[in-house]
Amino acid sequence: DGGITQSPKYLFRKEGQNVTLSCEQNLNHDAMYWYRQDPGQGLRLIYYSQIVNDFQKGDIAEGYSVSREKKESFPLTVTSAQKNPTAFYLCASSTGQPQHFGDGTRLSIL
Amino acid sequence: AQTVTQSQPEMSVQEAETVTLSCTYDTSENNYYLFWYKQPPSRQMILVIRQEAYKQQNATENRFSVNFQKAAKSFSLKISDSQLGDTAMYFCAFTKNAGGTSYGKLTFGQGTILTVHP
Repeated sequence: DGGITQSPKYLFRKEGQNVTLSCEQNLNHDAMYWYRQDPGQGLRLIYYSQIVNDFQKGDIAEGYSVSREKKESFPLTVTSAQKNPTAFYLCASSTGQPQHFGDGTRLSIL
Repeated sequence: AQTVTQSQPEMSVQEAETVTLSCTYDTSENNYYLFWYKQPPSRQMILVIRQEAYKQQNATENRFSVNFQKAAKSFSLKISDSQLGDTAMYFCAFTKNAGGTSYGKLTFGQGTILTVHP
């Protein structure tokens, strides 16, 4: 079945460490997105990509970086510059609407 | 910039009854989509219903229907015959229609926690 796979499900980061969240889709979608969800709140857009080798900042891009070397993959790196990284991260993809979501990665600070 | 507001942080309903969740939005766009997503305790985001702004007819999906008031910028979700499995957080979301193949960014409301009681 087609879908979006996020890994790992849980991730722990040490102070000063960069960590990378994986997002892979086999839906042949052109666009991919990363959202952050804090407890009891809605989703906020971090980065999005409409095509391979191109991506744009969302509303809260500071402290994050992405790459889009393949259509299927859109990894998110949480850098040490992100001082409050504890959150639930959701990846999505679409061609047109609506967006399809992965199951998320929960990132915590050690 | 678009904003989406859900003014009800929490709602509850008895099983088999009807409940309405509110959503208002602010935009200068004329062509856009509105969505309701459901996030159960598993945290998976599930699309419930979609409305295209140029369509006057309100969208319906089985027990779920919307009341789309474009002039008032209001987009409420009605759940009929509520079931225990409807317990979840519900998000209203907006994206502008870029035309053709739309790669719209979603703007989400803060969410409403709905609890269905037996």
